[in-house]
Amino acid sequence: GNSVTQMEGPVTLSEEAFLTINCTYTATGYPSLFWYVQYPGEGLQLLLKATKADDKGSNKGFEATYRKETTSFHLEKGSVQVSDSAVYFCALSDRAGNTGKLIFGQGTTLQVKP
Amino acid sequence: DAGITQSPRHKVTETGTPVTLRCHQTENHRYMYWYRQDPGHGLRLIHYSYGVKDTDKGEVSDGYSVSRSKTEDFLLTLESATSSQTSVYFCAISARGENTEAFFGQGTRLTVV
Repeated sequence: GNSVTQMEGPVTLSEEAFLTINCTYTATGYPSLFWYVQYPGEGLQLLLKATKADDKGSNKGFEATYRKETTSFHLEKGSVQVSDSAVYFCALSDRAGNTGKLIFGQGTTLQVKP
Repeated sequence: DAGITQSPRHKVTETGTPVTLRCHQTENHRYMYWYRQDPGHGLRLIHYSYGVKDTDKGEVSDGYSVSRSKTEDFLLTLESATSSQTSVYFCAISARGENTEAFFGQGTRLTVV
């Protein structure tokens, strides 16, 4: 079945450091891929998405490229801020039936220190 | 922000009692979902709805039932709560399913003692 695997956390970085959070997936067909972010005490918010191979999603300085050949969708940011501290979830959308069901990775906690 | 309201936000209940969580949306979106969030598992789909009275099971549906009698309301019921159902429950909505953004509620923290 479909699945998403994220790198283990927590990840602790200093402000202005470079961020990479790895995400790989297993899927039949060609899923859409998403990164969601969860700030403390809140629900999830969409950070970025990509719907086909080689698409690059970007938002708020974060980027991720849909790599079909390596089945990956790694999240990157060139210079993190304290306000980026949150839990990040990689997810895929199963295209079957157009239901929008999401399959999530386990989440990666990012802590950015001043 | 998308208009999604979950109630209650926090609940403590005893093992064996029935519990109903409510999700209310003001966006008129077709699709609604219930997920549970547990450490080490991310979020997992419990049930979803693709229209009024149209629902289907997700990955972890055992012990849960749902109902959707109106577009705006999606109810999740734990028939007989167990300690393994202690979790944070999130409702989400989506306008068109595939490729479209899902909007999440703020969650309900349920503790079964």
